Formats: sequence, structure tokens, C-alpha cells
Amino acid sequence: DQQVKQNSPSLSVQEGRISILNCDYTNSMFDYFLWYKKYPAEGPTFLISISSIKDKNEDGRFTVFLNKSAKHLSLHIVPSQPGDSAVYFCAASELSNTGKLIFGQGTTLQVKP
Amino acid sequence: EAGVAQSPRYKIIEKRQSVAFWCNPISGHATLYWYQQILGQGPKLLIQFQNNGVVDDSQLPKDRFSAERLKGVDSTLKIQPAKLEDSAVYLCASTGTSGVHEQYFGPGTRLTVT
Repeated sequence: DQQVKQNSPSLSVQEGRISILNCDYTNSMFDYFLWYKKYPAEGPTFLISISSIKDKNEDGRFTVFLNKSAKHLSLHIVPSQPGDSAVYFCAASELSNTGKLIFGQGTTLQVKP
Repeated sequence: EAGVAQSPRYKIIEKRQSVAFWCNPISGHATLYWYQQILGQGPKLLIQFQNNGVVDDSQLPKDRFSAERLKGVDSTLKIQPAKLEDSAVYLCASTGTSGVHEQYFGPGTRLTVT
């Protein structure tokens, strides 16, 4: 049973445009959500997070939106840059529990110059 | 601040052999995690340590996998004997200060079992 799903394995976007990566979850106990970026041969690096008490968090070009009723979150990258090309993982956590992360399968983003 | 260190970076073994991975977390980080990432999937938690105690090992295949963190700092993950399906990247992560929920990952060890 996959509790966190990223249904789009890949996404291709033109440089300067908006990239939107989506993530769905099934466990209503999740209360903290994170996005990680992963380059080949490197470990995932933390990008941005959001608590379930918020519906939006912004950090520079990156914004995460959370829709609790739909159990859906999205990552917006504006404007997209070629250096953003990587695999993006959505992760969810239940902080009142052990705080372990449950990851989605990842979405490969390609930003074309 | 130095990041999470892992070694080796790559390992190729035959099935039924044993292998060990090492992780040194960020200095001062009390919580350490081992994840398994199979190609095309997201990382899956194998075991979580708080200092030198196990918090969660519910998804660790205990018949062949073991892990320890004896002094509450670095950790080793062992597989004995290895199976073909153990081919994956093994990631170590750590997190520390109260109120900080983000986990910081090492570069991983890519294991190939032939």
C-alpha cells in the first residue's frame, strides 16, 4: 500500500516556464510534508517543507501548496532553470509518531534551455 | 559543517556473500536513518536510531539485515547473505536539533548483487 504517490514519472518544461510537480497521500495522520531533490550519484537534498497547519510555503523560486481536504500537495518552481533538472521526491511524516519519512516514487524533471 | 559521510560508494558482490556499509552522521545529530532505494522507487526506511537505541526497525528484513550504532555516533548496516533483490542504493540520513524535521542524506552506497 503506497501511502505517498507521485503519479507523473517525468516532466519536461522549457526554461523560464513554471514547473508543477504533484504528490498525493492517503494517510490523514501525516502532518509534515517535504520535497527533496536528487541529482545522479548524490543523496537527496532537502528543498522545502510545509506543516499541515499551513496551505502554502514559499522559498525563493520554490513554493509548496498543501490541500489537506484533497490530500494533495504540489511544488511550483518559477522560473524553471536547467539546473533544476533532477529527480524530485515528495515525502510525508507523522511528527507525533517516530517522524519517519514516507517517500513517493519520484518525478524526473527536465528543464530544456 | 561536514555532511553525512558514507562508505563505500560502490560495492559489487555475489549472491550469498556478506557486505557492510558505514555511515557517519552530521556532528551532534542524535537520530540516524538507513534507507533502501531500489531503482525507480523512493527511499524506504529500513531502521531508525535515536542515539544508540532503535526507534523503528519494522521494515528491516532481520533474517539477513542487521544494523548497529554502538556509541551513538557512526553506524554500520550489514547484509548476510545477500540476495539479488538487495541490489539498491543504501542511504544514510541524520537529523538532530529539536524542532528541525528535515533529514540530511549522505551520498549513498550503490550495491550490486550478481
